[in-house]
Amino acid sequence: DGGITQSPKYLFRKEGQNVTLSCEQNLNHDAMYWYRQDPGQGLRLIYYSQIVNDFQKGDIAEGYSVSREKKESFPLTVTSAQKNPTAFYLCASSQRGTANTGELFFGEGSRLTVL
Amino acid sequence: DAKTTQPTSMDCAEGRAANLPCNHSTISGNEYVYWYRQIHSQGPQYIIHGLKNNETNEMASLIITEDRKSSTLILPHATLRDTAVYYCIVRVNAGNMLTFGGGTRLMVKP
Repeated sequence: DGGITQSPKYLFRKEGQNVTLSCEQNLNHDAMYWYRQDPGQGLRLIYYSQIVNDFQKGDIAEGYSVSREKKESFPLTVTSAQKNPTAFYLCASSQRGTANTGELFFGEGSRLTVL
Repeated sequence: DAKTTQPTSMDCAEGRAANLPCNHSTISGNEYVYWYRQIHSQGPQYIIHGLKNNETNEMASLIITEDRKSSTLILPHATLRDTAVYYCIVRVNAGNMLTFGGGTRLMVKP
């Protein structure tokens, strides 16, 4: 089935360690996004990519890094520079151009806890 | 993108219509209104969107006022599974970024 797969679903990390969250989609979408969600809050945009080998910072990019080497993959690295990384991370994708209805397709999320 | 204002929470009886309001008084002419919902600990799910006209699909109806400064999402027969946070977002269709505010926490009660 087509969709977005995020892994791992749950992740624990010690302070000072980098961690990479995986996001893979088989929807043939050009654009991909990473959001962060804290308890009881809305989603905040970390990074987004409109096309392979290109990405842009969102509202809260500090302490995070991404790559977009393949159309179907958009991994997010939470670095040790991120001061408060414990959160729920959501990956999404959408079409571009005239096919774009504005509909985002989300994965099931990855919950990161820093011990 | 224009900002939106939604009530923090609402209750609805099971089987009744749930009417979720959204204020977007600064919306511009080319901005669409989108609705998503998020069931606890899952990714948000697209519901519906519109520009000027009222819209209906299998999930919900979207009523946009004539001046476009507010809208209402209607779930015609709410079920317990409709308990979720509902986000109202306005966005220019040419861009892809969506900004999610706090949303409305809808509790459907038996």
